[in-house]
Amino acid sequence: QKEVEQDPGPLSVPEGAIVSLNCTYSNSAFQYFMWYRQYSRKGPELLMYTYSSGNKEDGRFTAQVDKSSKYISLFIRDSQPSDSATYLCAMIHQGAQKLVFGQGTRLTINP
Amino acid sequence: SQTIHQWPATLVQPVGSPLSLECTVEGTSNPNLYWYRQAAGRGLQLLFYSVGIGQISSEVPQNLSASRPQDRQFILSSKKLLLSDSGFYLCAWTLTSARGGQETQYFGPGTRLLVL
Repeated sequence: QKEVEQDPGPLSVPEGAIVSLNCTYSNSAFQYFMWYRQYSRKGPELLMYTYSSGNKEDGRFTAQVDKSSKYISLFIRDSQPSDSATYLCAMIHQGAQKLVFGQGTRLTINP
Repeated sequence: SQTIHQWPATLVQPVGSPLSLECTVEGTSNPNLYWYRQAAGRGLQLLFYSVGIGQISSEVPQNLSASRPQDRQFILSSKKLLLSDSGFYLCAWTLTSARGGQETQYFGPGTRLLVL
């Protein structure tokens, strides 16, 4: 079993829809959770970073962490075609040197 | 502000040829540095990471090697490339936080390598 599971998709939704991207994990020691956005042929870009359980909002993006269920989510409101990209979740426990990444979910927003 | 550079952006090499990819970070000191490979449509595979000059940890046994000759320079090398070495190579850096962790990682633009 992988430490971090992420549905690779692809996921295709119409413009304006609310998108929900999810990751589950098995290591309860993970404390820090990140979401990266990667456009085709580009390096991943840090989108959201959260430390504790709960929600964190940044514009149209909301990151949610549920440590009791070992489940994290990224919500995108009012999705735009420019949101079309691969979204990777990542996590790390305190003192570790290496992030653990999900496989990435490929998202397409259709105009 | 910090920036990370990788070059070249694209590289086409014949099987059996040597490889040298370079990564440099500006605007920070003593970062952790990482090399990843991403095959088409696949996730990130950590190849090497370094916590300081001359300190290299290898994650996957293969015909690649890494070196860190300077604090903000990380080099990925191979003496003889294989077809399976084709992929998208990404360099990344983190800074140790006040909590002692590497919570946020920032990536470079990547090098696309095609071995023929």
